[in-house]
Amino acid sequence: AQSVTQPDIHITVSEGASLELRCNYSYGATPYLFWYVQSPGQGLQLLLKYFSGDTLVQGIKGFEAEFKRSQSSFNLRKPSVHWSDAAEYFCAVGGGADGLTFGKGTHLIIQP
Amino acid sequence: ETGVTQTPRHLVMGMTNKKSLKCEQHLGHNAMYWYKQSAKKPLELMFVYNFKEQTENNSVPSRFSPECPNSSHLFLHLHTLQPEDSALYLCASSQDWDREQPQHFGDGTRLSIL
Repeated sequence: AQSVTQPDIHITVSEGASLELRCNYSYGATPYLFWYVQSPGQGLQLLLKYFSGDTLVQGIKGFEAEFKRSQSSFNLRKPSVHWSDAAEYFCAVGGGADGLTFGKGTHLIIQP
Repeated sequence: ETGVTQTPRHLVMGMTNKKSLKCEQHLGHNAMYWYKQSAKKPLELMFVYNFKEQTENNSVPSRFSPECPNSSHLFLHLHTLQPEDSALYLCASSQDWDREQPQHFGDGTRLSIL
């Protein structure tokens, strides 16, 4: 069975500082990995995705993620966060007919 | 994201009521999904439709009944719900059920059961 673990429930970062959100997955085959962001009262917006090829993928809003098969990880990074990045971030694996399996999410708080 | 529209945005209902949630996508997609988002729990897949055919029913209680009359519309009919069914219900769509096709989400319907 596939699963996703986001070990950090909350993360607080100062505005302008760098960010890394952790994601570990369990998947039987080649994983299809996604990061989504959810602002309060809204649905999920896709930040980036990984299927194959270059293990460092670029997404929207200045985010990137690195796939590390040996560590079963797909961590999300941003060099310098903005106050508008405060939101809930979800890592997901799978897709297609089985739907997506999500982690519990990481709540990002930005300090001024 | 305006490609997937969900109505209503908020719904309060009693346990004996019957109501329906509506989802409409304007992206020309062929696969549609219902997810449930409860507090402190991961999003849970409920139903999957591909070309109007239901392909997944993730052990969802029968008090939830999906309907997909065409590839652009998806409904979730609700009947005799329980307090634990209070949650955010999210609809998503994708081009098809190829795993490489990302899912696009609506803003959800916040459901409260009295």
